[in-house]
Amino acid sequence: KQEVTQIPAALSVPEGENLVLNCSFTDSAIYNLQWFRQDPGKGLTSLLLIQSSQREQTSGRLNASLDKSSGRSTLYIAASQPGDSATYLCAVIEGTQKLVFGQGTRLTINP
Amino acid sequence: DTAVSQTPKYLVTQMGNDKSIKCEQNLGHDTMYWYKQDSKKFLKIMFSYNNKELIINETVPNRFSPKSPDKAHLNLHINSLELGDSAVYFCASSLTDRNQPQHFGDGTRLSIL
Repeated sequence: KQEVTQIPAALSVPEGENLVLNCSFTDSAIYNLQWFRQDPGKGLTSLLLIQSSQREQTSGRLNASLDKSSGRSTLYIAASQPGDSATYLCAVIEGTQKLVFGQGTRLTINP
Repeated sequence: DTAVSQTPKYLVTQMGNDKSIKCEQNLGHDTMYWYKQDSKKFLKIMFSYNNKELIINETVPNRFSPKSPDKAHLNLHINSLELGDSAVYFCASSLTDRNQPQHFGDGTRLSIL
């Protein structure tokens, strides 16, 4: 049974810092990995999707990497801003397009 | 606006009642999903439909019955509501391609009194 773990559970950093969020999964037989952002009281916004054959994806200040063999992914956020404060979720897709989620990292960027 | 929309946004009801949550997407997707986010913020898949056919049913009590009248709609009906059903329910949709992202609605917060 696939399990997805995100470390740390919460992170607080000053504005302007670069930071890394971690995600690990137990079964490497995944199709892809997706990073989401969730703001309080809102739904999930898809940030990046990395296919299993890819090593990384970039969008603006965000860079996500995937090491499928070791069961790890990282989300790198450059030059963090207060507007980046949210919960970040990673999820892997397996089988019939079922997303298996981690429990998220609650990120706070302090002005 | 193109989106996944759910109604209602909030639902407060008493134990034992029956309620429905509606979901519609205008993204042209052919697969739709229901996820449950519990009090610890953990998100878990409940159901998935592809072109109105059920393809995922994840050990959900049979008090929960999804209905897909067409590929743009996936409604969730819940019978005999229990306290443990209190959660946020999210609808999502995607193309039938594992390498396409899933798009989520804003959620329905269900509170059982």
